[in-house]
Amino acid sequence: ETGVTQSPTHLIKTRGQQVTLRCSSQSGHNTVSWYQQALGQGPQFIFQYYREEENGRGNFPPRFSGLQFPNYSSELNVNALELDDSALYLCASSTPAGQNSPLHFGNGTRLTVT
Amino acid sequence: QQQVKQSPQSLIVQKGGISIINCAYENTAFDYFPWYQQFPGKGPALLIAIRPDVSEKKEGRFTISFNKSAKQFSLHIMDSQPGDSATYFCAATRDNYGQNFVFGPGTRLSVLP
Repeated sequence: ETGVTQSPTHLIKTRGQQVTLRCSSQSGHNTVSWYQQALGQGPQFIFQYYREEENGRGNFPPRFSGLQFPNYSSELNVNALELDDSALYLCASSTPAGQNSPLHFGNGTRLTVT
Repeated sequence: QQQVKQSPQSLIVQKGGISIINCAYENTAFDYFPWYQQFPGKGPALLIAIRPDVSEKKEGRFTISFNKSAKQFSLHIMDSQPGDSATYFCAATRDNYGQNFVFGPGTRLSVLP
């Protein structure tokens, strides 16, 4: 069983630039969620994708957007990067919401905005 | 009402001791409460989870105690080992809610040999 994989592992961008992070979901999982984890804090929900459509969104501005592809992989795009966007971005896959459907996380992409 | 509070922020335990981490929530609609373990440089990994229809769940050395009336739940790690040294996050969500898991701020556990 292949776990959740994310790329790249580390990324350094300049304020105002745009970034794309990628995620391959765990085998058998068709739902992908993205979380932002600032240093020393718990993960915060950005959004979830199911059947290639956004299926829930946290308190993040529209410059955070995403895609899900037919193979269930996903991208997180962030436009107009700000210094506060520096964080670990976690992708998690799961089966659709229901009984016993925990999140399975990848190891994240560490984004540094300078 | 979406917040999950977690304490302590950090915890130091001797090898063989019991580690206890507490969480509290406000949203009574939450119905799934997992605990995640995170090592440096890694993503969180599911440790154990509970639903509010039971008051306790045990898996090996890890036990969740759940108090629905107090809206509190806790993680107990029995016979703590140095390999348990990690950051632990409690979380809560409600099914069919876009799986918006609300995480606590984390507890950094250090188990001394």
